[in-house]
Amino acid sequence: AQSVTQLDSQVPVFEEAPVELRCNYSSSVSVYLFWYVQYPNQGLQLLLKYLSGSTLVESINGFEAEFNKSQTSFHLRKPSVHISDTAEYFCAVRPHNQGGKLIFGQGTELSVKP
Amino acid sequence: DAGVIQSPRHEVTEMGQEVTLRCKPISGHNSLFWYRQTMMRGLELLIYFNNNVPIDDSGMPEDRFSAKMPNASFSTLKIQPSEPRDSAVYFCASSYRDRVNGYTFGSGTRLTVV
Repeated sequence: AQSVTQLDSQVPVFEEAPVELRCNYSSSVSVYLFWYVQYPNQGLQLLLKYLSGSTLVESINGFEAEFNKSQTSFHLRKPSVHISDTAEYFCAVRPHNQGGKLIFGQGTELSVKP
Repeated sequence: DAGVIQSPRHEVTEMGQEVTLRCKPISGHNSLFWYRQTMMRGLELLIYFNNNVPIDDSGMPEDRFSAKMPNASFSTLKIQPSEPRDSAVYFCASSYRDRVNGYTFGSGTRLTVV
């Protein structure tokens, strides 16, 4: 079985400050890793993913995440946040060879204040 | 592409009534997923289909819930009879089964059972 733990339910931060949203997972099989973002009253959108290769992956809007196999973590970071980054962020895992289902964490609400 | 289309966007119904939620996946996608999102339980996978066939319905909470996918372009999630605790946002998502690209989510249906 797999599980995903997002260690912080809410993260308040000031504009232009750095931020890290933490994600740990547990799985008996290899997994692919994802971060999704959900803006108010919208569906989830894929932010970035780790499939294989370089453990550091980046999104087009300045977020990055690093896969750490030994710590089973996939933390999301951004060096300088904007007001528009205010949203809920979900970490997810997809087990290899299990039909494609995603298991999500509980979400982290990022609130960026001016 | 219009994306994953869900209807209705909002539904308010009385306890005991039947509710049907609808989803049109992205053309060509062969996997479809139904999720429920609540504050208390986060995102829960209810059921998913590959090539119109239900693969895993272990997340369906009770017999009151049923889902169908009669063809590749349409799926329904039905609750009969509905109860106040079913109030949630229900998301549909689709993907290519054999590509690890994550899902495309619909905008969700906000269900309120009074």
